[in-house]
Amino acid sequence: KAGVTQTPRYLIKTRGQQVTLSCSPISGHRSVSWYQQTPGQGLQFLFEYFSETQRNKGNFPGRFSGRQFSNSRSEMNVSTLELGDSALYLCASSGPRGLDTQYFGPGTRLTVL
Amino acid sequence: KQEVTQIPAALSVPEGENLVLNCSFTDSAIYNLQWFRQDPGKGLTSLLLIQSSQREQTSGRLNASLDKSSGRSTLYIAASQPGDSATYLCAVMASARQLTFGSGTQLTVLP
Repeated sequence: KAGVTQTPRYLIKTRGQQVTLSCSPISGHRSVSWYQQTPGQGLQFLFEYFSETQRNKGNFPGRFSGRQFSNSRSEMNVSTLELGDSALYLCASSGPRGLDTQYFGPGTRLTVL
Repeated sequence: KQEVTQIPAALSVPEGENLVLNCSFTDSAIYNLQWFRQDPGKGLTSLLLIQSSQREQTSGRLNASLDKSSGRSTLYIAASQPGDSATYLCAVMASARQLTFGSGTQLTVLP
């Protein structure tokens, strides 16, 4: 069974631009969560989606948004990029309750110049 | 607000040693606790998940315990190998379906 995949793996953007990251969960998984990892703040929860609905959202500004499609694939978007948005963005998928083992993808490394 | 602490922040041991990594959390109202490893620049690999009703889980050379009432978990690694070198992260999940992570323990196993 294929694992969680994320594209692209690396991105370089400049301040003010916007970016879209993609995540494909493990087949059969319908819960997808996003996390931001930085050296200073560690791993922080962004949001969780299930059946195209956002069930929970972390404490991030409105510039961070996401969505989930009917095939459970998810995208997250960051608008008006700031230098502090440079981070590793990780996606995780799990079973329907969202309370089971979380399987993480390899991440997308975003650098904002 | 849930807070997760991992001690020590870094650990260096010679190959073959048994070792224990510690994790503590402030709110005992959790669904489960999960241990991950992360290699430099990579994603997280799930090692063990302990449900709140369980006391321990084992996988190969790894054994994780959970004492929910005291807010503590330990990850025991037997007969450590250089390939075990990585950052080990502890995370708890509560009703909000979000993981709260500790800052990790960076483990180096010396050949």
